[in-house]
Amino acid sequence: DAGVIQSPRHEVTEMGQEVTLRCKPISGHDYLFWYRQTMMRGLELLIYFNNNVPIDDSGMPEDRFSAKMPNASFSTLKIQPSEPRDSAVYFCASSLRWGKSGYTFGSGTRLTVV
Amino acid sequence: ELKVEQNPLFLSMQEGKNYTIYCNYSTTSDRLYWYRQDPGKSLESLFVLLSNGAVKQEGRLMASLDTKARLSTLHITAAVHDLSATYFCAVDRGTSGSRLTFGEGTQLTVNP
Repeated sequence: DAGVIQSPRHEVTEMGQEVTLRCKPISGHDYLFWYRQTMMRGLELLIYFNNNVPIDDSGMPEDRFSAKMPNASFSTLKIQPSEPRDSAVYFCASSLRWGKSGYTFGSGTRLTVV
Repeated sequence: ELKVEQNPLFLSMQEGKNYTIYCNYSTTSDRLYWYRQDPGKSLESLFVLLSNGAVKQEGRLMASLDTKARLSTLHITAAVHDLSATYFCAVDRGTSGSRLTFGEGTQLTVNP
């Protein structure tokens, strides 16, 4: 298995632009999570899906953030418009049966908003 | 709200020595995870502990879980430089809808 695949690995964008991050979970996993990692706040859960349905988006910082999962093998996290304080590493993770075998993280997208 | 605290946050040790990282959490849970993160890299799963008294070992690392004390430990035996990384513990309540909450991380440096 190729693991959780995220793209792009790095993204540099100007303030105000739209940014879309992509994630392909491990095949067969029924939960997908989006996390953000910063030095100040550590690892924070933004949103998670179960069987493609968003379950808890209470960690999404603002309305500028949105996430979708149109099918079992693809999810996006969109920021529109982006701001410098959104600069962080965004991780996607997937799991089977709510983490009974653990949570597998992707390689992350390092986002820089200038 | 579930809180997860690790200590120490920074650990510098010599090769060949032993040490323990502690992970305390605030509410009932019987599910705890340990991850390793190298600089600029993703989180690599080390251990999944799913019950009270669980103990798992891999190489020079051993993790244990005491759900009554709400404590997990990650013990390092005869450290080597390759173990230098940041180690995170994370806890969830084991039920759908609970949030996986991470500790602050322990930055380990093993010196020759």
